[in-house]
Amino acid sequence: KAGVTQTPRYLIKTRGQQVTLSCSPISGHRSVSWYQQTPGQGLQFLFEYFSETQRNKGNFPGRFSGRQFSNSRSEMNVSTLELGDSALYLCASSLGGGPGETQYFGPGTRLLVL
Amino acid sequence: GQSLEQPSEVTAVEGAIVQINCTYQTSGFYGLSWYQQHDGGAPTFLSYNALDGLEETGRFSSFLSRSDSYGYLLLQELQMKDSASYFCAVSENSGYALNFGKGTSLLVTP
Repeated sequence: KAGVTQTPRYLIKTRGQQVTLSCSPISGHRSVSWYQQTPGQGLQFLFEYFSETQRNKGNFPGRFSGRQFSNSRSEMNVSTLELGDSALYLCASSLGGGPGETQYFGPGTRLLVL
Repeated sequence: GQSLEQPSEVTAVEGAIVQINCTYQTSGFYGLSWYQQHDGGAPTFLSYNALDGLEETGRFSSFLSRSDSYGYLLLQELQMKDSASYFCAVSENSGYALNFGKGTSLLVTP
């Protein structure tokens, strides 16, 4: 079974631009979560989707948004990029997203904002 | 809100035992998970504790005390390949959010 895939793997943008990242979960998984990883802050939860509905959102500004499609694929968008948005963005999928379910992480998209 | 505390770095010798502690403050606690991440890699699941006590999986064990808001990951018979970052994470907010600590960098030396 194929793992979680994320595209693109690397991205360079300039301040003020917007970016869209894509995540394809493991087949059969309906929950997709997004995380931002930086050296200073570690792994921070962005949001979680299940059946095209956002069930939870972390403490990030409204510039960060996401959506999930009927095939469980998910995208996240960051508008008006800031230098501090430079990070590794990870998505993870699980069957239903409930507590204790193993989350399977993709390789991440490394975003550099100049 | 939530906060998790774990040591930032731990060093241990190959073959030894190391314990990585995690304390948490959170509302709506469901359980404590542990993930391992090698440099340049994706986090991978190690264990999950919803109830008090010790869970053992091979060389790795994880412990939870809900009354003390405390857990730990115990790694036995350390190997060089265990050098990685280890994250504790709490399931909260109806269980659909996984909030991570900042991670503990474990260095295993010969």
